Amino acid sequence: GAVVSQHPSWVICKSGTSVKIECRSLDFQATTMFWYRQFPKQSLMLMATSNEGSKATYEQGVEKDKFLINHASLTLSTLTVTSAHPEDSSFYICSAGLEWETQYFGPGTRLLVL
Amino acid sequence: AQSVTQLDSHVSVSEGTPVLLRCNYSSSYSPSLFWYVQHPNKGLQLLLKYTSAATLVKGINGFEAEFKKSETSFHLTKPSAHMSDAAEYFCVVSKRGNQFYFGTGTSLTVIP
Repeated sequence: GAVVSQHPSWVICKSGTSVKIECRSLDFQATTMFWYRQFPKQSLMLMATSNEGSKATYEQGVEKDKFLINHASLTLSTLTVTSAHPEDSSFYICSAGLEWETQYFGPGTRLLVL
Repeated sequence: AQSVTQLDSHVSVSEGTPVLLRCNYSSSYSPSLFWYVQHPNKGLQLLLKYTSAATLVKGINGFEAEFKKSETSFHLTKPSAHMSDAAEYFCVVSKRGNQFYFGTGTSLTVIP
């Protein structure tokens, strides 16, 4: 099956710094990728849709200036958490589709903001 | 609007006994439905999907689910639980083909 990777898998940062998370589709091209957030013992919440070559589409309640998304190529989308605070600590997961209505999920990135 | 409700936040079964994880959906049109599994500290793995073909869908690891439009349900079943099935299970409905909306998840415990 298709493989989606994320880097880093773990990141710890100080409050006020920015963190960039990469999502790559390793063996296929994806014009659209998705970013999710998962709090401990909770479900995944769709944050935004990342569109190659255009602006991301954010879900209601998600601050676009806080969570910057760049989809510069057909195999890479990045999520930058700007001026991170402890409440941004979470598990961030991306997904990409190879075929219609099948999404492949990355292994996730765990962010801890001190 | 699309949404899914997973009726049980936690299910415990004995090894070798059947598994039933319940999911009800609401959708303004014919939905596509999925079940994903997440093992601790791991990513999500697709178990099976329903996309308006056969209503009984067979997935990996012996799991299957039946789409019942009259009941707006898509329950996940397995005849015999294995210890390795212990994980978090998510029922998902899709919007526009690739925007996924997750249920709250069901944690499955398998008792030896």
